Amino acid sequence: DIQMTQSPASLSASVGETVTITCRASENIYSYLAWYQQKQGKSPQLLVYNAKTLAEGVPSRFSGSGSGTQFSLKINSLQPEDFGSYYCQHHYGTPPTFGGGTKLEIK
Amino acid sequence: EVKLEESGGGLVQPGGSMKLSCAASGFTFSDAWMDWVRQSPEKGLEWVAEIRSKANNHATYYAESVKGRFTISRDDSKSSVYLQMNSLRAEDTGIYYCTRVLGLRFDYWGQGTTLTVSS
Repeated sequence: DIQMTQSPASLSASVGETVTITCRASENIYSYLAWYQQKQGKSPQLLVYNAKTLAEGVPSRFSGSGSGTQFSLKINSLQPEDFGSYYCQHHYGTPPTFGGGTKLEIK
Repeated sequence: EVKLEESGGGLVQPGGSMKLSCAASGFTFSDAWMDWVRQSPEKGLEWVAEIRSKANNHATYYAESVKGRFTISRDDSKSSVYLQMNSLRAEDTGIYYCTRVLGLRFDYWGQGTTLTVSS
Protein backbone atom coordinates (compact mmCIF):
# COMPACT_ATOMS: atom_id res chain seq x y z
CA ASP A 1 0.00 0.00 0.00
CA ILE A 2 1.08 3.59 -0.59
CA GLN A 3 2.05 5.34 2.64
CA MET A 4 1.14 8.99 3.11
CA THR A 5 3.18 11.08 5.55
CA GLN A 6 2.03 14.51 6.65
CA SER A 7 3.92 17.24 8.44
CA PRO A 8 3.72 18.90 10.78
CA ALA A 9 1.45 16.84 13.03
CA SER A 10 0.29 20.04 14.70
CA LEU A 11 0.56 23.70 13.92
CA SER A 12 -0.32 26.82 15.86
CA ALA A 13 -1.08 30.01 13.95
CA SER A 14 -2.94 33.28 14.25
CA VAL A 15 -5.85 34.65 12.24
CA GLY A 16 -4.48 36.36 9.15
CA GLU A 17 -1.33 34.25 8.92
CA THR A 18 -0.39 31.99 6.01
CA VAL A 19 0.36 28.33 6.71
CA THR A 20 1.56 25.39 4.64
CA ILE A 21 1.00 21.69 5.32
CA THR A 22 3.00 19.08 3.45
CA CYS A 23 2.27 15.52 2.43
CA ARG A 24 4.67 12.94 1.06
CA ALA A 25 3.72 9.74 -0.75
CA SER A 26 5.86 6.60 -0.54
CA GLU A 27 5.72 6.26 -4.33
CA ASN A 28 4.74 8.29 -7.37
CA ILE A 29 1.03 9.14 -7.30
CA TYR A 30 1.24 11.70 -10.11
CA SER A 31 -1.39 14.31 -9.18
CA TYR A 32 -3.87 11.96 -7.53
CA LEU A 33 -3.87 13.70 -4.18
CA ALA A 34 -6.81 15.04 -2.17
CA TRP A 35 -7.00 17.21 0.94
CA TYR A 36 -9.77 17.16 3.53
CA GLN A 37 -10.69 19.47 6.39
CA GLN A 38 -12.28 18.10 9.55
CA LYS A 39 -13.68 20.22 12.31
CA GLN A 40 -14.15 18.91 15.82
CA GLY A 41 -17.05 16.47 16.01
CA LYS A 42 -17.77 16.69 12.29
CA SER A 43 -17.04 14.49 9.29
CA PRO A 44 -14.18 15.32 6.90
CA GLN A 45 -14.96 17.56 3.93
CA LEU A 46 -13.19 17.49 0.58
CA LEU A 47 -11.12 20.64 -0.04
CA VAL A 48 -8.81 19.84 -2.94
CA TYR A 49 -8.46 16.98 -5.42
CA ASN A 50 -6.08 16.16 -8.25
CA ALA A 51 -3.50 17.99 -6.13
CA LYS A 52 -4.64 21.50 -7.00
CA THR A 53 -8.33 21.55 -7.98
CA LEU A 54 -10.52 23.19 -5.34
CA ALA A 55 -13.74 21.37 -4.50
CA GLU A 56 -16.99 23.23 -5.01
CA GLY A 57 -17.50 26.06 -2.55
CA VAL A 58 -13.95 26.04 -1.16
CA PRO A 59 -12.56 29.57 -0.69
CA SER A 60 -9.71 30.68 -2.92
CA ARG A 61 -7.43 31.27 0.09
CA PHE A 62 -6.87 27.49 -0.05
CA SER A 63 -4.46 26.20 -2.67
CA GLY A 64 -2.87 22.86 -3.37
CA SER A 65 0.31 22.08 -5.26
CA GLY A 66 2.74 19.31 -6.01
CA SER A 67 3.04 16.15 -8.04
CA GLY A 68 4.82 12.84 -7.86
CA THR A 69 5.57 12.29 -4.18
CA GLN A 70 5.62 15.79 -2.67
CA PHE A 71 2.52 17.88 -2.10
CA SER A 72 1.42 20.87 -0.10
CA LEU A 73 -1.71 22.66 1.04
CA LYS A 74 -1.40 26.40 1.59
CA ILE A 75 -3.91 28.51 3.44
CA ASN A 76 -3.56 32.25 2.96
CA SER A 77 -4.90 34.73 5.48
CA LEU A 78 -6.23 32.22 8.01
CA GLN A 79 -9.82 32.71 9.09
CA PRO A 80 -11.35 31.51 12.40
CA GLU A 81 -13.33 28.83 10.54
CA ASP A 82 -10.12 27.30 9.11
CA PHE A 83 -8.97 25.84 12.41
CA GLY A 84 -9.34 22.09 12.66
CA SER A 85 -7.58 19.04 11.26
CA TYR A 86 -6.37 18.47 7.73
CA TYR A 87 -5.72 15.17 5.99
CA CYS A 88 -4.19 14.22 2.69
CA GLN A 89 -5.28 11.10 0.79
CA HIS A 90 -4.01 9.58 -2.41
CA HIS A 91 -6.63 8.63 -4.98
CA TYR A 92 -4.28 6.68 -7.23
CA GLY A 93 -5.68 3.18 -7.09
CA THR A 94 -7.00 0.91 -4.35
CA PRO A 95 -6.57 1.00 -1.44
CA PRO A 96 -6.77 4.75 -1.01
CA THR A 97 -4.78 5.77 2.07
CA PHE A 98 -4.71 8.84 4.28
CA GLY A 99 -2.01 10.81 5.98
CA GLY A 100 -1.92 10.97 9.75
CA GLY A 101 -3.36 14.47 9.84
CA THR A 102 -2.30 17.98 10.81
CA LYS A 103 -4.08 19.72 13.65
CA LEU A 104 -4.23 23.46 13.06
CA GLU A 105 -4.84 25.39 16.26
CA ILE A 106 -5.31 29.00 17.13
CA LYS A 107 -2.25 30.70 18.62
CA GLU B 1 -28.51 18.59 -1.79
CA VAL B 2 -26.50 15.42 -1.29
CA LYS B 3 -27.25 13.65 1.99
CA LEU B 4 -25.77 10.50 3.45
CA GLU B 5 -27.21 9.23 6.73
CA GLU B 6 -25.67 6.30 8.56
CA SER B 7 -27.37 4.13 11.15
CA GLY B 8 -26.78 0.91 13.00
CA GLY B 9 -23.77 1.55 15.19
CA GLY B 10 -23.55 0.67 18.85
CA LEU B 11 -21.83 -1.58 21.36
CA VAL B 12 -21.02 -5.17 20.41
CA GLN B 13 -18.91 -7.86 22.05
CA PRO B 14 -15.74 -9.18 20.41
CA GLY B 15 -16.65 -11.89 17.93
CA GLY B 16 -20.09 -10.39 17.40
CA SER B 17 -21.79 -8.94 14.34
CA MET B 18 -23.27 -5.61 13.35
CA LYS B 19 -24.83 -4.21 10.21
CA LEU B 20 -24.47 -0.56 9.27
CA SER B 21 -26.81 1.16 6.85
CA CYS B 22 -26.49 4.36 4.88
CA ALA B 23 -29.42 6.11 3.22
CA ALA B 24 -28.49 8.41 0.37
CA SER B 25 -30.38 11.20 -1.36
CA GLY B 26 -29.79 14.16 -3.62
CA PHE B 27 -27.99 12.36 -6.44
CA THR B 28 -28.43 9.42 -8.82
CA PHE B 29 -27.47 6.69 -6.40
CA SER B 30 -27.39 3.89 -8.94
CA ASP B 31 -24.56 5.62 -10.82
CA ALA B 32 -22.45 6.20 -7.73
CA TRP B 33 -19.58 4.29 -6.23
CA MET B 34 -19.98 4.12 -2.45
CA ASP B 35 -17.41 3.48 0.25
CA TRP B 36 -17.14 3.07 3.98
CA VAL B 37 -14.29 4.86 5.74
CA ARG B 38 -13.63 4.58 9.46
CA GLN B 39 -11.78 6.73 11.94
CA SER B 40 -10.19 5.91 15.26
CA PRO B 41 -7.66 7.71 17.45
CA GLU B 42 -5.24 4.80 17.01
CA LYS B 43 -5.37 4.42 13.23
CA GLY B 44 -6.73 7.75 12.02
CA LEU B 45 -8.77 7.65 8.82
CA GLU B 46 -8.85 4.21 7.22
CA TRP B 47 -10.62 3.11 4.06
CA VAL B 48 -12.74 0.00 4.70
CA ALA B 49 -14.69 -1.07 1.63
CA GLU B 50 -16.06 0.01 -1.74
CA ILE B 51 -18.94 -1.04 -3.94
CA ARG B 52 -19.14 0.23 -7.48
CA SER B 53 -22.14 0.97 -9.65
CA LYS B 54 -24.23 -1.45 -11.68
CA ALA B 55 -22.31 -0.32 -14.76
CA ASN B 56 -19.21 -1.68 -13.00
CA ASN B 57 -21.02 -4.89 -12.08
CA HIS B 58 -21.33 -3.82 -8.43
CA ALA B 59 -17.70 -4.83 -7.97
CA THR B 60 -16.55 -4.80 -4.34
CA TYR B 61 -13.18 -4.15 -2.73
CA TYR B 62 -12.01 -4.45 0.86
CA ALA B 63 -9.16 -3.37 3.07
CA GLU B 64 -6.95 -6.31 4.01
CA SER B 65 -7.81 -5.75 7.66
CA VAL B 66 -11.50 -6.53 7.09
CA LYS B 67 -11.40 -8.93 4.13
CA GLY B 68 -13.36 -12.09 4.87
CA ARG B 69 -15.15 -10.50 7.84
CA PHE B 70 -16.97 -7.50 6.33
CA THR B 71 -19.38 -7.44 3.38
CA ILE B 72 -20.47 -4.29 1.58
CA SER B 73 -23.73 -4.35 -0.37
CA ARG B 74 -26.22 -1.96 -1.87
CA ASP B 75 -29.88 -1.70 -2.78
CA ASP B 76 -30.25 0.80 -5.60
CA SER B 77 -34.06 0.68 -5.28
CA LYS B 78 -33.67 2.07 -1.75
CA SER B 79 -30.65 4.29 -2.46
CA SER B 80 -28.88 2.55 0.37
CA VAL B 81 -25.54 0.95 1.05
CA TYR B 82 -24.79 -1.49 3.84
CA LEU B 83 -21.82 -2.88 5.73
CA GLN B 84 -22.25 -6.29 7.34
CA MET B 85 -19.52 -6.77 9.92
CA ASN B 86 -18.81 -10.20 11.42
CA SER B 87 -16.15 -11.54 13.78
CA LEU B 88 -15.69 -8.08 15.19
CA ARG B 89 -12.50 -7.18 17.03
CA ALA B 90 -11.58 -4.40 19.42
CA GLU B 91 -9.53 -2.78 16.66
CA ASP B 92 -12.71 -2.35 14.58
CA THR B 93 -13.89 0.26 17.08
CA GLY B 94 -14.36 3.69 15.57
CA ILE B 95 -16.60 6.07 13.72
CA TYR B 96 -17.82 4.64 10.42
CA TYR B 97 -18.53 7.08 7.62
CA CYS B 98 -20.51 6.39 4.48
CA THR B 99 -18.97 8.24 1.56
CA ARG B 100 -19.70 8.87 -2.08
CA VAL B 101 -16.71 8.24 -4.30
CA LEU B 102 -15.74 10.20 -7.37
CA GLY B 103 -12.45 9.33 -9.01
CA LEU B 104 -11.40 7.47 -5.84
CA ARG B 105 -11.76 10.64 -3.79
CA PHE B 106 -14.50 11.01 -1.20
CA ASP B 107 -16.61 13.95 -2.24
CA TYR B 108 -19.45 13.57 0.25
CA TRP B 109 -19.46 12.10 3.75
CA GLY B 110 -22.21 11.17 6.16
CA GLN B 111 -22.15 12.32 9.78
CA GLY B 112 -20.82 8.94 10.91
CA THR B 113 -22.01 6.20 13.21
CA THR B 114 -19.99 4.90 16.15
CA LEU B 115 -19.12 1.24 16.63
CA THR B 116 -17.63 0.08 19.90
CA VAL B 117 -16.34 -3.47 20.17
CA SER B 118 -15.85 -4.31 23.82
CA SER B 119 -16.79 -6.90 26.41
